[in-house]
Amino acid sequence: EAQVTQNPRYLITVTGKKLTVTCSQNMNHEYMSWYRQDPGLGLRQIYYSMNVEVTDKGDVPEGYKVSRKEKRNFPLILESPSPNQTSLYFCASSPSGWVEGTQYFGPGTRLTVL
Amino acid sequence: QKEVEQNSGPLSVPEGAIASLNCTYSDRGSQSFFWYRQYSGKSPELIMFIYSNGDKEDGRFTAQLNKASQYVSLLIRDSQPSDSATYLCAALSSGSARQLTFGSGTQLTVLP
Repeated sequence: EAQVTQNPRYLITVTGKKLTVTCSQNMNHEYMSWYRQDPGLGLRQIYYSMNVEVTDKGDVPEGYKVSRKEKRNFPLILESPSPNQTSLYFCASSPSGWVEGTQYFGPGTRLTVL
Repeated sequence: QKEVEQNSGPLSVPEGAIASLNCTYSDRGSQSFFWYRQYSGKSPELIMFIYSNGDKEDGRFTAQLNKASQYVSLLIRDSQPSDSATYLCAALSSGSARQLTFGSGTQLTVLP
């Protein structure tokens, strides 16, 4: 089954404790992206990657890191989480080209930072 | 700052009516536009995309694009209670930076 998986689905942590949210896709897509979704603000892009070893900042990259060492995986790293990073996070992937907007989303990770 | 604006709603329509969802964008260089549907507690799923001026129809859904006015809309004909969801408009930037910018979404309720 074609899908984007994320782990964990739910996470409660404390300020400053490094964490990683994994994202994996099995569709051989070149383009992968991370979003956060907050009430009233919609989906905001954090980072995106157009292919292996190619990453770019989105609209809200501060406090986040990513890496793209393999085509299928695109982990999101919070080196020192803070309460304002409490949010619902989505990973997405798509083929490259103009269809990059036709993204397949993972199920989401709900993060709470205390 | 590239922006995509949507009326947040909520928008309520009776079952069987036409629901009209609107979106404007600020980046005149954007070439492709997308409508996603998001049910409560779920992830967004693509409904339609459009990149040419005019209308594009897919079943009960019609997307409309007017690049001169920087306006995108989605019409849902014969609305059903199962169409109740939040609808997200998105614009894909042109050039080498392939960013997808989303609006904040319009919440639609179809009343039985």
